[in-house]
Amino acid sequence: QQQVKQSPQSLIVQKGGISIINCAYENTAFDYFPWYQQFPGKGPALLIAIRPDVSEKKEGRFTISFNKSAKQFSLHIMDSQPGDSATYFCAASRGGATNKLIFGTGTLLAVQP
Amino acid sequence: DTEVTQTPKHLVMGMTNKKSLKCEQHMGHRAMYWYKQKAKKPPELMFVYSYEKLSINESVPSRFSPECPNSSLLNLHLHALQPEDSALYLCASSQVQLAGINEQFFGPGTRLTVL
Repeated sequence: QQQVKQSPQSLIVQKGGISIINCAYENTAFDYFPWYQQFPGKGPALLIAIRPDVSEKKEGRFTISFNKSAKQFSLHIMDSQPGDSATYFCAASRGGATNKLIFGTGTLLAVQP
Repeated sequence: DTEVTQTPKHLVMGMTNKKSLKCEQHMGHRAMYWYKQKAKKPPELMFVYSYEKLSINESVPSRFSPECPNSSLLNLHLHALQPEDSALYLCASSQVQLAGINEQFFGPGTRLTVL
């Protein structure tokens, strides 16, 4: 119930294409869903996040789609660029004072020029 | 200042050494975290401090000892580590969870190698 399942494990996309990464969760108490981007040797950087009261959030080329009934959310990267090549982690947390993030297993994205 | 800084960037230590990792933030965040990350794996939570008090210890071995001297600083004291403890150690900070938002900001990490 505490897991967040992420797919695919790795993804190769051509420059200018759309990258799509999917996550699924079981715990309906989760109410905050961020995506992190991590380059090799660096710490994860918060990319975009969504609450379950909205179905979509867009920031620049990055969009989160959220399906509450299916307990799934996804990251779409439009017009993917070689600089987007990184590992992406979805995560989830639930309300309360624990501040605990549950991370997905990660997706290694390679955008080919 | 929206940055979490960590020192040192790299650390090599023997199994009998004692060393410390340091983390600092000046964003006024009152929650701070230590994570451990192995290659090709997600960050794994070790400790959470909330208002300078330890609120979560994820059953971490006692050879790892956290300390939060004030609201801006977080240390991780290391003693008698094992080679399997070699990893990237990440510090993060956030507001204490407010209205369901858990926006954690990560530092660049300390790459630890235990010989």
